[in-house]
Amino acid sequence: NAGVTQTPKFQVLKTGQSMTLQCAQDMNHEYMSWYRQDPGMGLRLIHYSVGAGITDQGEVPNGYNVSRSTTEDFPLRLLSAAPSQTSVYFCASSLSSGGNTEAFFGQGTRLTVV
Amino acid sequence: AQKITQTQPGMFVQEKEAVTLDCTYDTSDPSYGLFWYKQPSSGEMIFLIYQGSYDQQNATEGRYSLNFQKARKSANLVISASQLGDSAMYFCAMRELRGSNYQLIWGAGTKLIIKP
Repeated sequence: NAGVTQTPKFQVLKTGQSMTLQCAQDMNHEYMSWYRQDPGMGLRLIHYSVGAGITDQGEVPNGYNVSRSTTEDFPLRLLSAAPSQTSVYFCASSLSSGGNTEAFFGQGTRLTVV
Repeated sequence: AQKITQTQPGMFVQEKEAVTLDCTYDTSDPSYGLFWYKQPSSGEMIFLIYQGSYDQQNATEGRYSLNFQKARKSANLVISASQLGDSAMYFCAMRELRGSNYQLIWGAGTKLIIKP
């Protein structure tokens, strides 16, 4: 059981480049989300999805796009990378958004924008 | 205002001692949940324990227990008989309703180092 799979694990981008962080889960979870983790701060929600075809913005959505065409996949797109987007990115999934359902996390993607 | 506050940026604890990691929260949602996650140096996020706002008993999971004081809006994690492998970052998170969906709000974390 793979759980939540994120790729790539590491990435270096030049300012202005675009890229897609991939996230896939095999647990048939409805709720998926993307966070960024910066030093000295907790995780901050970028975008989330409550099911295929439904996405919404979180706390820090600017500069990022998402789509959810299937239950399994929830890619995060950086449209034009900026140094401020240097961070560790986590994808997470859970059975639903409420209740005691724990979030399962991918291994994280360490992104550096130069 | 901070929704989740972890006041201890770092802690050193002697192996085999118990340790309490502090977490206070602020919410007007009556149906919230509180989570603790561990992040070792390898980077993954590991779920430890959950407490619902309506749960009467404090949650326990093996060596982990949650000291839930609802009136004080406090949800401290207690690790009994600490081990070297407990050295990690620990995050408190609160699930609250925002709009029509629940979201997880995270504290800044506490770095715990267990000394042999």
